[in-house]
Amino acid sequence: GAVVSQHPSRVICKSGTSVKIECRSLDFQATTMFWYRQFPKQSLMLMATSNEGSKATYEQGVEKDKFLINHASLTLSTLTVTSAHPEDSSFYICSARDREASYNEQFFGPGTRLTVL
Amino acid sequence: AQKVTQAQTEISVVEKEDVTLDCVYETRDTTYYLFWYKQPPSGELVFLIRRNSFDEQNEISGRYSWNFQKSTSSFNFTITASQVVDSAVYFCALSESTYSGGGADGLTFGKGTHLIIQP
Repeated sequence: GAVVSQHPSRVICKSGTSVKIECRSLDFQATTMFWYRQFPKQSLMLMATSNEGSKATYEQGVEKDKFLINHASLTLSTLTVTSAHPEDSSFYICSARDREASYNEQFFGPGTRLTVL
Repeated sequence: AQKVTQAQTEISVVEKEDVTLDCVYETRDTTYYLFWYKQPPSGELVFLIRRNSFDEQNEISGRYSWNFQKSTSSFNFTITASQVVDSAVYFCALSESTYSGGGADGLTFGKGTHLIIQP
C-alpha cells in the first residue's frame, strides 16, 4: 500500500512551452501533497504545499504564477510549469500525506525529470 | 527556522567497513520529526526511518542503526558491514509540525551525503 505515482517520469520540452506533471496517490486519500525540486547533485527543496480544495502555499522564492498547482481531488495534484526555460530543468518530486495514517506519514513519488531545451 | 546540516559531502569506504553518516538539526519546536532517506541513482527516494522528538531510543534495523541525541541535536546513521548496494546519496530531513490532525509541513532536507562503497 501507500503508493504514489508521478506522470510523466521524464519529459523534454522546448523553451517557452508549458509542462504538466501529475502526482497521484494510488491506494489512499491525500488531503495534503507536497512538491519538491532537486537540481543536479543538490538537495530537495520544498516548493509548495498543496491542500485539496484550496490554494497551494508556496515557499519563499517560488513563483506561484510560474508553477501552477491544482489539487482538485483527494488523489491527484498537478504541477504545471508555465513558459518553461532551461533553468527550470530539474527533478520534480511529489509526496502525499495519507489522511488516515499517523502524523506526517508522507509517501514520495518516483519523480519527474524535466529537461527544457 | 529549521535547518539540517550534513557536513559530510562524500564518504568512500571499502566494502564491509562500518560507516556513520552525520546529521545535525536546528529547530525551535519541541515537537518535530526526523527522517533518513536513501536516493539511489534512479532518483527515487527510499524511506529508511522516521523518529519523533519524544522518542530518543536508538533503533537498529538489520545492518542499519540510528543514534538520536537531543542534547547535541544529532540524528546519526550507521551502516554496519557496508555493501556495494549501499552506495547512494543519503538525506537527513526534519519536519517541525506538531501532531494535530490538521495541516502538515513539508520536509527540510540536508544537502545529502554521497556514500561510495568500493568492492
